[in-house]
Amino acid sequence: NAGVTQTPKFQVLKTGQSMTLQCAQDMNHEYMSWYRQDPGMGLRLIHYSVGAGITDQGEVPNGYNVSRSTTEDFPLRLLSAAPSQTSVYFCASSHDYNEQFFGPGTRLTVL
Amino acid sequence: AQSVAQPEDQVNVAEGNPLTVKCTYSVSGNPYLFWYVQYPNRGLQFLLKYITGDNLVKGSYGFEAEFNKSQTSFHLKKPSALVSDSALYFCAVRAPGAGSGAGSYQLTFGKGTKLSVIP
Repeated sequence: NAGVTQTPKFQVLKTGQSMTLQCAQDMNHEYMSWYRQDPGMGLRLIHYSVGAGITDQGEVPNGYNVSRSTTEDFPLRLLSAAPSQTSVYFCASSHDYNEQFFGPGTRLTVL
Repeated sequence: AQSVAQPEDQVNVAEGNPLTVKCTYSVSGNPYLFWYVQYPNRGLQFLLKYITGDNLVKGSYGFEAEFNKSQTSFHLKKPSALVSDSALYFCAVRAPGAGSGAGSYQLTFGKGTKLSVIP
């Protein structure tokens, strides 16, 4: 049981490039979410999903897209990277309203 | 809208002394409350939760938290701090009864409190 996995662990992009952060869970959780963590800001919710085919925006969705075609996978797409998107990104999943399980994070730098 | 406040950016405590990390919340409806810990360059790890029942909940690594509905607080405590407890601690709240549809799943985090345990 791997829990929540994220790839890559580190990524450097140039302004304007696009990329996809991968997230997968093997616990059959219906709820998945993406957060970004910035110093002094805590964790801010980007997008979330309550099941395959259902996604919604969180607190800071601009510049990011998501889709959920399967229960297991919830990729986060950066459409045109900007330096303001330099951050650490965490994916999480949970069953119902219980505690969330977090992945190890992706550290992204946009130059 | 739901919110969480952690009024202290940093808490310093001597090893062996009791520790408290404070958290207050604001939600519509009954809250589900959580504490997480984050060690450097790691993801968040779940410590404990309050959903219903006893106001004092016990969690991992000897931590406990007390739910106080009248003060809308959920402070994290440990009777005797260890140097290895030094980390970043986050309080979070969900309010399943507050809204409808997918929005009621949202988990809102506080900004975090850095705990330093001094040998």
